[in-house]
Amino acid sequence: QVHLQESGPGLVKPSETLSLTCAVSGFAITSGYFWGWVRQPPGKGLEWIGNIYQTGTTYFNPSLKRRVTVSVDTSKNQFSLKLTSVTAADTAVYYCARHMMVRGEIGAFDVWGQGTMVTVSS
Amino acid sequence: IVLTQSPGTLSLSPGERATLSCRASQSVSSSFLAWYQQKPGQAPRLLIYGASNRATGIPDRFSGSGSGTDFTLTISRLEPDDFAVYYCQQYVNSPPYTFGQGTKLEIK
Repeated sequence: QVHLQESGPGLVKPSETLSLTCAVSGFAITSGYFWGWVRQPPGKGLEWIGNIYQTGTTYFNPSLKRRVTVSVDTSKNQFSLKLTSVTAADTAVYYCARHMMVRGEIGAFDVWGQGTMVTVSS
Repeated sequence: IVLTQSPGTLSLSPGERATLSCRASQSVSSSFLAWYQQKPGQAPRLLIYGASNRATGIPDRFSGSGSGTDFTLTISRLEPDDFAVYYCQQYVNSPPYTFGQGTKLEIK
């Protein structure tokens, strides 16, 4: 059974870099899927951040593109998110998730991590 | 692509039928529209993908339909466990893969 688990600091200071890792278990990250990040500010809706393929190909939300890096470590079966120059507006629950692949195209998120709350505050 | 969900809140009783709407700012291939359910403190759960395909383990009281710019999630007979927030998402080729703002389904 596929399981995704986010990890990283729960508190980040303004202007610093938010770093999260998503550990994938029960499934090889190199099995031909895209892996993504979604965030949800408290009491608000979902925002797609970006995704990555096993080869390192990435796609990002244009609204965050200048500040986001997503990387994959196939040896550890995990992928990571870095968001630079954070502000209070980046306070959110951050989820990692797996994109379905339908006929070779990126699909919906079919498996999600439980999410991790990150607060930006001094 | 902007997705607009309506209504913002829907108040119904168990056993009733729920109809949730998702309207896109431009045409979305039906192959690229999904619905999710989210309960408080939990991650979203995929219900429907490709506009009308139920995800694994989703009861058949959940159904999706629509094409172009108008899509619908229908829950035929509400059960107590169905009261939650529902989001639609489009994942057409070019990112970002946007979500709607959500519809809260509450017990009347």
